[in-house]
Amino acid sequence: AQSVTQPDIHITVSEGASLELRCNYSYGATPYLFWYVQSPGQGLQLLLKYFSGDTLVQGIKGFEAEFKRSQSSFNLRKPSVHWSDAAEYFCAVGPRSNDYKLSFGAGTTVTVRA
Amino acid sequence: DTGVSQNPRHKITKRGQNVTFRCDPISEHNRLYWYRQTLGQGPEFLTYFQNEAQLEKSRLLSDRFSAERPKGSFSTLEIQRTEQGDSAMYLCASSSSSGGAETQYFGPGTRLLVL
Repeated sequence: AQSVTQPDIHITVSEGASLELRCNYSYGATPYLFWYVQSPGQGLQLLLKYFSGDTLVQGIKGFEAEFKRSQSSFNLRKPSVHWSDAAEYFCAVGPRSNDYKLSFGAGTTVTVRA
Repeated sequence: DTGVSQNPRHKITKRGQNVTFRCDPISEHNRLYWYRQTLGQGPEFLTYFQNEAQLEKSRLLSDRFSAERPKGSFSTLEIQRTEQGDSAMYLCASSSSSGGAETQYFGPGTRLLVL
């Protein structure tokens, strides 16, 4: 069965500092990988996705993520955080077989301090 | 921009009452998913439709839950005899099976509080 681990429940970062959110997955093959962001009381917005090809993917709002097969990781990064980046971030995996549901990590809450 | 929409956005009900939520997917998407999210957790899969056919149901979906997608358009999720443990955010997502990888786009969710 597939699973996703986000080791950091909560991260606090200063505005303008860099941010890295960790994601590790367990799956028998290379899954499809996603990062979503959720603002309080809102639905999920897709930040970026990895299906194949270049292991460094660019997303919206200045985010990027790197797929590392050897580490089963898909960490999310942003070079300079803005106050509006305060939100909850979810990593998700979707299988490549005929089973289309996403499996999500528990999420990482990001607080941005001035 | 016609994204995924959900109604109502918030619902407060008393234990034992029935509730129904609606999801309108992106118009050209043939796949529709329901997820449940409790506080401090990631979304958990409940069920999924391809067109009007319900193809998979999670063990989380007890007999009190039923979902439909008549004519392969909007979907409804009904919870009968609600319990306090049903309090959660219910998220709908849709995607298009255009071949190969697909991306699920989420609606704003319906937050349910059972008193």
